[in-house]
Amino acid sequence: GENVEQHPSTLSVQEGDSAVIKCTYSDSASNYFPWYKQELGKRPQLIIDIRSNVGEKKDQRIAVTLNKTAKHFSLHITETQPEDSAVYFCAASRNQFYFGTGTSLTVIP
Amino acid sequence: KAGVTQTPRYLIKTRGQQVTLSCSPISGHRSVSWYQQTPGQGLQFLFEYFSETQRNKGNFPGRFSGRQFSNSRSEMNVSTLELGDSALYLCASSLNPWTSGGNEQYFGPGTRLTVT
Repeated sequence: GENVEQHPSTLSVQEGDSAVIKCTYSDSASNYFPWYKQELGKRPQLIIDIRSNVGEKKDQRIAVTLNKTAKHFSLHITETQPEDSAVYFCAASRNQFYFGTGTSLTVIP
Repeated sequence: KAGVTQTPRYLIKTRGQQVTLSCSPISGHRSVSWYQQTPGQGLQFLFEYFSETQRNKGNFPGRFSGRQFSNSRSEMNVSTLELGDSALYLCASSLNPWTSGGNEQYFGPGTRLTVT
């Protein structure tokens, strides 16, 4: 089955700096790569996703890039704000979802 | 549209008991997936139902089972509870994860199960 690895497990950045979270996957048949943000005590929320026919997607301060050849994809958050502090999960899917182990992001004011 | 809902939100059970959790998907969504979330193991896939049929199953013992009704609502059952079953159980719905464009998955708030 698919195996998704996510790094780093924790990340601290100063407010206004950028944050990058990276994931690798093993199954070349995976074609959908969502990112979820989970604040403490809340449900995971879909924040951005990318499909295998696209290399990059951007939505305001967040962007995701996909390298199918290397089987890795990354989440980029620019101009970080304290409200970006949360746990972020990546996932890879063909039909079943396989999640990374999460990155706890702390934005220091 | 209303989001994914789960009941109950919190549950305390003792070892050996059984429990049933419920999930109502977003209107029009036919696929419901269940996940177990624990601090050490992250999000672990339990199973997925589409049109009342289980299509995928994760690596969990047979004590974990589920079903889906004709209105797409789903239940999961855990029998003979163990201490290690304490976790947040999340369900997620999507239109149809087997089709391109239908696989955006949205989570419910979860059921926090504590086994004592």
